[in-house]
Amino acid sequence: GNSVTQMEGPVTLSEEAFLTINCTYTATGYPSLFWYVQYPGEGLQLLLKATKADDKGSNKGFEATYRKETTSFHLEKGSVQVSDSAVYFCALAKTSYDKVIFGPGTSLSVIP
Amino acid sequence: DADVTQTPRNRITKTGKRIMLECSQTKGHDRMYWYRQDPGLGLRLIYYSFDVKDINKGEISDGYSVSRQAQAKFSLSLESAIPNQTALYFCATSDLNGNGELFFGEGSRLTVL
Repeated sequence: GNSVTQMEGPVTLSEEAFLTINCTYTATGYPSLFWYVQYPGEGLQLLLKATKADDKGSNKGFEATYRKETTSFHLEKGSVQVSDSAVYFCALAKTSYDKVIFGPGTSLSVIP
Repeated sequence: DADVTQTPRNRITKTGKRIMLECSQTKGHDRMYWYRQDPGLGLRLIYYSFDVKDINKGEISDGYSVSRQAQAKFSLSLESAIPNQTALYFCATSDLNGNGELFFGEGSRLTVL
């Protein structure tokens, strides 16, 4: 079946450090891939997405590239801020008619 | 006002009690979902509805039921709550043409004693 695996946290970084959160998926065909972010006390919100191979999604300084050959969608940011402290979820949807499947989430804490 | 509103935001109840969590949305989306969030397990789908007459079980529907009262309203019920249903519950909506993008409510934290 379809599934999403992401690196376990928690991840703790100093401000301005480089961030990578790994995400790999299992699915047939070409699913759409997403990163959602959950700030403390809030619901999830879409951070970025990519809908086909080699697409790069980007938003708020975060980027992720859809790699079909390695079935990966790793999240990166060059310089994290304290305000980036949150839980990050990788997710996939086979089609727009299908339900979204989430990974377990990775908690990020950024310290000044 | 939030586009997706959940009530109550927090609830403490006892084993065996019936609980209803309500969700309403102003986004005009046809699709609505109920997820459960547990630490280390991410979000797991309980039920989903692609329109008012459509209800589907998700991966963890046992012990839960839902009602889609209108396009804008989707309620989750626990007929007889048990402690392992203690969790954070999220309602979400999506648009048919949104490539799977979900819009979430702020969550309902349920504690079953």
